[in-house]
Amino acid sequence: QKEVEQDPGPLSVPEGAIVSLNCTYSNSAFQYFMWYRQYSRKGPELLMYTYSSGNKEDGRFTAQVDKSSKYISLFIRDSQPSDSATYLCAMTILTGGGNKLTFGTGTQLKVEL
Amino acid sequence: DVKVTQSSRYLVKRTGEKVFLECVQDMDHENMFWYRQDPGLGLRLIYFSYDVKMKEKGDIPEGYSVSREKKERFSLILESASTNQTSMYLCASAGGYYGYTFGSGTRLTVV
Repeated sequence: QKEVEQDPGPLSVPEGAIVSLNCTYSNSAFQYFMWYRQYSRKGPELLMYTYSSGNKEDGRFTAQVDKSSKYISLFIRDSQPSDSATYLCAMTILTGGGNKLTFGTGTQLKVEL
Repeated sequence: DVKVTQSSRYLVKRTGEKVFLECVQDMDHENMFWYRQDPGLGLRLIYFSYDVKMKEKGDIPEGYSVSREKKERFSLILESASTNQTSMYLCASAGGYYGYTFGSGTRLTVV
C-alpha cells in the first residue's frame, strides 16, 4: 500500500465549476501538507501549504486537512481553463533535516469552456 | 524568486552511455533533490543532498549516482544508461519547510 493515495483522474469539469481534489495517507506522522500544480512539460509549482487541521484559503483555492481521517483536499472555486493541469499532493514529517516529501501520483484536471 | 535550472530539456542517449544531468539553484538552499516522474508512478525520489558533499539515497537509487561539489549544483549521473531509465527527471531545491522549487525537468530517452 502506498503511503499517499490520489485518484489519477482524469477529471473533466465545465468552466465555473467547483473542483474537489483529494488525497488519503496512511502515515499519521505526516505533519506538513502541500499541493503542487504541474502544467504539461513543466516542473511542479507549489500552490499551497499547511501544517494544521482545518482550512486555508488563497484566492480561489482552499486547502483542507483532516488529520483524524488522514485526508486532505484542495478545492478550486470558479474553475478556469487555465486551471487545467495535474495536481499533486505532498506531505512530510518535520524532522529538522533533509525535508523529504512524499508525493501522491497526481490528479489530471481539465476545465472545459 | 528561486530559480532551479536544469541544463537540458530533452536528451536522447544510447544504451550503455554515461549520462550527466545538471541542476543549479540560485537561492543558497541547503537541500537538493533528484526525482524521476513516470505515468502512473508519480514522483519517485532517487537521491537527495542536505549539504555540500553530502548525499542520501532515496527510494530508487539503483543505477544512479550523484555529485554535489558546490552548494548550488547537484548532478545526477547514470553510470550506464538503460532503456528503463527513460523518464522525466526533475531536480528540486528547498531551504526550509515551505516546499520545494522544481526545475522544468529533463526528458531523457535511452535508445
